Amino acid sequence: KAGVTQTPRYLIKTRGQQVTLSCSPISGHRSVSWYQQTPGQGLQFLFEYFSETQRNKGNFPGRFSGRQFSNSRSEMNVSTLELGDSALYLCASSLGQRETQYFGPGTRLLVL
Amino acid sequence: GQSLEQPSEVTAVEGAIVQINCTYQTSGFYGLSWYQQHDGGAPTFLSYNALDGLEETGRFSSFLSRSDSYGYLLLQELQMKDSASYFCAAYLSGSARQLTFGSGTQLTVLP
Repeated sequence: KAGVTQTPRYLIKTRGQQVTLSCSPISGHRSVSWYQQTPGQGLQFLFEYFSETQRNKGNFPGRFSGRQFSNSRSEMNVSTLELGDSALYLCASSLGQRETQYFGPGTRLLVL
Repeated sequence: GQSLEQPSEVTAVEGAIVQINCTYQTSGFYGLSWYQQHDGGAPTFLSYNALDGLEETGRFSSFLSRSDSYGYLLLQELQMKDSASYFCAAYLSGSARQLTFGSGTQLTVLP
């Protein structure tokens, strides 16, 4: 069974731009969670989607948003990029609530 | 608040055994997971303890004691490739849909 895939793998943007990241979960997994990882803050939860509904959201500003499609694929969007948004963005999928999460390779975003 | 605490760094030599501890502070708890992450890579699932006791998977074992709010990951017969960051993670009550991670333990295996 194919693992979680994320595109693109690397991205360079400038301040003020916006970015959209994509995540395809493991087949059959309906829950997709997004995390931001930085050296100083570790792994921080962004939001979680299940059956196209956002069920939980972390403590991030409204510039961070996401959605999930009927095939469980998910996208996250960051608008008005700031230098501090430079990070590794990880997507993880699981069968359902409180199940083991499996991570994709991540998208490394650099904001200049 | 609800959090998971683990040491920031551990160093050991090849062939040795190392234990990485994780303590948590919460009244509700749904089991403890462990992930490995190599530099530049994604976290990889290692093990999950839903109940108290020891779970063994090859060279890695994980233990949970709910009464002590404590768990650990035990790595035996250390190899150079085990050098990585190790994270404990749990679904905590009050945020049951959100997987909360510890800050990670950087393991360095020396020759």
